[in-house]
Amino acid sequence: NIVLTQSPATLSVTPGESVSLSCRASQSISTSIHWYQQKSNESPRLLIKYASQSISGIPSRFSGSGSGTDFTLSINRVESEDFSIYYCQQSYSSLSTFGAGTKLELK
Amino acid sequence: EVQLVESGGGLVQPGRSLKLSCLASGFTFSNYGMNWIRQAPGKGLEWVASISSSSSYIYYADTVKGRFTISRDNAKNTLYLQMTSLRSEDTALYYCARQRRPTDSFDYWGQGVMVTVSS
Repeated sequence: NIVLTQSPATLSVTPGESVSLSCRASQSISTSIHWYQQKSNESPRLLIKYASQSISGIPSRFSGSGSGTDFTLSINRVESEDFSIYYCQQSYSSLSTFGAGTKLELK
Repeated sequence: EVQLVESGGGLVQPGRSLKLSCLASGFTFSNYGMNWIRQAPGKGLEWVASISSSSSYIYYADTVKGRFTISRDNAKNTLYLQMTSLRSEDTALYYCARQRRPTDSFDYWGQGVMVTVSS
């Protein structure tokens, strides 16, 4: 199975800072990576698909990049509503997998 | 508006069975693949199973293969997950999620249904 390793596990930031979250795949997966945001007690929400494709209704401060094994979710100027957990997910394999998540918390 | 509403969860003893349902509305259900994804309390997301739009392709995570069965009834716009030989480690919030094609993202999720396996 394809393993996704997210880092860091926790990221402490102040509002207004820009951040980058990493997701590394155990093998090359082209751009078959998707990013989700999960706020406390809510269902996950799709943020970015296929590494860098934007999703309707998602603020433009969220962007994604990468291909092969290394992927990044960037948040430009974090806002208070962004403090939550972020997961990456691969759909390259028929057996999908998620990363363990990165928690974005208030410093 | 796309809606996915899970039901059928509850408290069940180890070794017993339970069947979850996910009722879809707001889109043409028969055009989409569907998935079950679970989240143990305080833990991350774990993909459980997927089924293609016509049920031709079905896949399971290793952790549930042989114990869980995913199915769908396109006439009833409903996705199912039959869970047997339940274990304590199956305790989780179970989400159903929509997927346009097998390589696509999960673009809509239900609110989840809780399954607790305990004696």
